[in-house]
Order: sequence, then C-alpha cells, then structure tokens
Amino acid sequence: EPEVTQTPSHQVTQMGQEVILRCVPISNHLYFYWYRQILGQKVEFLVSFYNNEISEKSEIFDDQFSVERPDGSNFTLKIRSTKLEDSAMYFCASSASGGTDYNEQFFGPGTRLTVL
Amino acid sequence: DAKTTQPTSMDCAEGRAANLPCNHSTISGNEYVYWYRQIHSQGPQYIIHGLKNNETNEMASLIITEDRKSSTLILPHATLRDTAVYYCIVPNFGNEKLTFGTGTRLTIIP
Repeated sequence: EPEVTQTPSHQVTQMGQEVILRCVPISNHLYFYWYRQILGQKVEFLVSFYNNEISEKSEIFDDQFSVERPDGSNFTLKIRSTKLEDSAMYFCASSASGGTDYNEQFFGPGTRLTVL
Repeated sequence: DAKTTQPTSMDCAEGRAANLPCNHSTISGNEYVYWYRQIHSQGPQYIIHGLKNNETNEMASLIITEDRKSSTLILPHATLRDTAVYYCIVPNFGNEKLTFGTGTRLTIIP
C-alpha cells in the first residue's frame, strides 16, 4: 500500500539554526500539506500546497517557514531560524484531490523536531 | 470549520462495537463529516467520511442523522489496536485543510 514517508524521524537543532524537513508524498497525489503537533496539544494545520504554490497557510506559517517541491517527488518544509517553540512533531500529508467532497489525506509518520 | 463536539474519552470492551458520537449542529448542507484517528503520536489516519447517507468501509461505519447535526462512528468489533484518539472534522466547503479538535480518547479494554 502506498504511503507518505518523512525524514528524518527525529531532528535535534540549536536555536537559530535552519532545518529542512523532508517528505515524499504518495506518487500520484497533487495536494500536499504540513501540520504540526506540539507535545500534548492538538494537531495544527500549517500550510497546503497545490500546483507548485501555497494554496492556504495558517497564522503559524510566518516568514520563517517555507515549503518547496524541488524535484516532483519531495516536499520540504524549511524553518529558517528555529525557536524553542518550534519544537513539535511535524506531519506531512498528501491527497489525490482537493475540496471537501473527497479529501482523504494520507499522513506520514512525522518528524520530531527538538530545538535546544 | 463547523464546530464539532465530542466526548473527551470513552472505554469499550474488546470485541464489542465502539460507538463514538459527534455533534456538528452548525454544519452546512454541502459540508462533509470526516473521521480520523491518531494512535499514540503517529500520523493521523483517515477512517471514513460522508455527506448525508450512511457509509461503511473496511474500517468502520458512519451514521449521520437525517438533520445532519450529529453523527456516530461505529467500529463493529473493537480490538486493542483501535485504542486511539478519534477526531470528527467538518472542513469548510471548498477548503482542504483539516482542523483537529481534542477528539475522543477511545480505550479498548481487554
């Protein structure tokens, strides 16, 4: 069964450093998402991406964040200058279609980001 | 997103049917009800979704009331692996993002 993969599974970084979280969505999917979950809190939407551009982003997704689909298979989330409060589990997701009539999103296993 | 209300937690005996309720009284006519679950900090997993008719797949059944103001997710024969947090989500029409609440923590008891 096809699945979304994410690397690394755990990333430890120093405050102020740049990190890139990588995701390989399911191959025929067209819509891509990043969510995050701070320990013990809700899963929060960060950004959605379609047709090589951001379709929606949350208030969390400020100028320190960026997304890219550099090669048609990977989907990356970059945090330019990490803060302590960026420590969280980051989930990538993909779906075959958008809208709300059929929007089954497949989630990856997550990358645990720890900012020291 | 249409606000959803779910019980904080529920227990169910292994092998019995688990019935998880969700209220979504402000749902609009063209908004779907989605159910996802999250097993111990893994990525959320899609379960089922529906608009107005009852739906069934290999994982679960979804019963939506006629007025669409509430729904029930049914896991027909719960196993220990079904222990998870279950989320009922009603995305705004035309909006792909999922807004997760606190969900229902379902514990399957041996």
